[in-house]
Amino acid sequence: ETGVTQSPTHLIKTRGQQVTLRCSSQSGHNTVSWYQQALGQGPQFIFQYYREEENGRGNFPPRFSGLQFPNYSSELNVNALELDDSALYLCASSFGTISGNTIYFGEGSWLTVV
Amino acid sequence: EDQVTQSPEALRLQEGESSSLNCSYTVSGLRGLFWYRQDPGKGPEFLFTLYSAGEEKEKERLKATLTKKESFLHITAPKPEDSATYLCAVQAQGAQKLVFGQGTRLTINP
Repeated sequence: ETGVTQSPTHLIKTRGQQVTLRCSSQSGHNTVSWYQQALGQGPQFIFQYYREEENGRGNFPPRFSGLQFPNYSSELNVNALELDDSALYLCASSFGTISGNTIYFGEGSWLTVV
Repeated sequence: EDQVTQSPEALRLQEGESSSLNCSYTVSGLRGLFWYRQDPGKGPEFLFTLYSAGEEKEKERLKATLTKKESFLHITAPKPEDSATYLCAVQAQGAQKLVFGQGTRLTINP
């Protein structure tokens, strides 16, 4: 158990809809990152939040957005869902933004877009 | 651009048959190389972080090593419960993101 919790665990959405995924970071961790993992692939970095601000972004379009709250929990929002958005969405937490700190992942949210 | 390549893509071993998984990488200044284990339908489970060439870390039947171009995950006398996908990732100096390889799917037959 890493202490990183995500919800929901599974959901099905229709193309064009919007989705919100939630993450609670491990106790003491103030940095949250989101990753997308397609079937059979390694995770791809979406963005990172630190002190409620976006602190780095991967190659994902603006319809992927996020929030971090004062308690360090975070949301990932995806608008105008496309079939290719079907994937496992992983939340990862760590302490600070100094690279090299251990990064722990949650169990993920499985999103299916039909 | 930072890149990670893992080989083989899949590996089947008999219980007790030792082997190694390879992770080749290119990165603009390595800050850390991470190994994770991922079971089907689950999130990645942290195993090791290696920071500099020559470093080695061990945990039960697993041992990770690092050179300037690649890392190896050695598995000694594996058991069926070691079956999983093993992911390697690099983090560059000053970067926020981990760059992952595609993983090696390891199956240990009893």
